[in-house]
Amino acid sequence: DAGITQSPRHKVTETGTPVTLRCHQTENHRYMYWYRQDPGHGLRLIHYSYGVKDTDKGEVSDGYSVSRSKTEDFLLTLESATSSQTSVYFCAISEGGGYGYTFGSGTRLTVV
Amino acid sequence: GENVEQHPSTLSVQEGDSAVIKCTYSDSASNYFPWYKQELGKGPQLIIDIRSNVGEKKDQRIAVTLNKTAKHFSLHITETQPEDSAVYFCAASKGAGNKLTFGGGTRVLVKP
Repeated sequence: DAGITQSPRHKVTETGTPVTLRCHQTENHRYMYWYRQDPGHGLRLIHYSYGVKDTDKGEVSDGYSVSRSKTEDFLLTLESATSSQTSVYFCAISEGGGYGYTFGSGTRLTVV
Repeated sequence: GENVEQHPSTLSVQEGDSAVIKCTYSDSASNYFPWYKQELGKGPQLIIDIRSNVGEKKDQRIAVTLNKTAKHFSLHITETQPEDSAVYFCAASKGAGNKLTFGGGTRVLVKP
């Protein structure tokens, strides 16, 4: 979607290696989110940010860390990738409470 | 935390018929209820939303209703078309930060 880009779009990595996914926005929105999407589970929140250097955990945060050093960038890191982290990862941005999200196009991550 | 349940998980309708998807939420403090449409290989896209001070909202062929007492809300699509085929997600949130909790999704297939 315009205003939000995710990179890479696809990645295959080996178990035990660190992986970083990037979300970049040009909308100057305060809130940014990382979700994972798996069959049968819908969209589950991993971590979110409510400002530069302000982040908090979501419902499935184990094994993930995030950083936000600039308004426009929100990084998701898998410290040591496992096969259970094979998923499609979506970043989203929002102006705040009572506003909908704009989602990126997703990153398909495969851990082998 | 909030729990959102969505039914049915799959829905097949004939072109021109109506489709209805229902969601229930658990937290009575939730006050914002968006609906997203996800096409294959893309991120979810906001199609309509409703706030707790409104009982119904329409946008062309799409309408959403909210029953706060029963804690459920529904998406209605009239005069369905093949391009309505997609996965639809409901969600709920409350307050600042706007962390959305998503339902499990409904795969809608419109048969020509």
